[in-house]
Amino acid sequence: EIVLTQSPGTLSLSPGERATLSCRASQSVSSNFLAWYQQKPGQAPRLLIYGASSRATGIPDKFSGSGSGTDFTLTISRLEPEDFAVYYCHQYGSSPQTFGQGTKLEIK
Amino acid sequence: QVQLQESGPGLVKPSETLSLTCTVSGSSISSGYYWGWIRQPPGKGLEWIASIYHSGITYYNPSLKSRVTISIDTSKKQFSLNLRSVTAADTAVFYCTRSLFSSDCPYNWGQGTLVTVSS
Repeated sequence: EIVLTQSPGTLSLSPGERATLSCRASQSVSSNFLAWYQQKPGQAPRLLIYGASSRATGIPDKFSGSGSGTDFTLTISRLEPEDFAVYYCHQYGSSPQTFGQGTKLEIK
Repeated sequence: QVQLQESGPGLVKPSETLSLTCTVSGSSISSGYYWGWIRQPPGKGLEWIASIYHSGITYYNPSLKSRVTISIDTSKKQFSLNLRSVTAADTAVFYCTRSLFSSDCPYNWGQGTLVTVSS
């Protein structure tokens, strides 16, 4: 199975700053089928990005995904208070689907 | 707007079978989507359990495959999960999901239901 490793584990930033989250795969993700989810406490995850760089419906353009193969990045520009949450990367190109362990984005 | 609602017991005894159902509204269950289950132990990360296509083709996480069955009932607009021989390690919030169209990427999620395994 593909192991996804996210870094950093915790990212402390201030509103207005730019966040860069990393996801590294243990082997190449088929067809760049890599997604990013945001999860807030007590809520289900919300799909932000799929196919490494395509935004899901209704997701603002401050969220952007990039990368291919084994290295992927989620960038959040101009952080707002509601962006502080846990972010997971997820590969769905190979079975079993796997998730990274998450990056907690916290207010500095 | 699609809505997914999980239902089932919140407490299951060790060695018994955990059974959950997801009821779908606002969407056809008969074409183009993968329907799945994902779980999250309290305070931990996400684990994909299984998916099923509307045709009945199933996909399982090998780590759980020997204990899991996913099924779909298109007439009732429901799909279900059975997890056998549960232990305390199976305690988690279970989410049912619908994928993006013609993709196995989970997009819509139910609110989740906490299932505790305890005697």
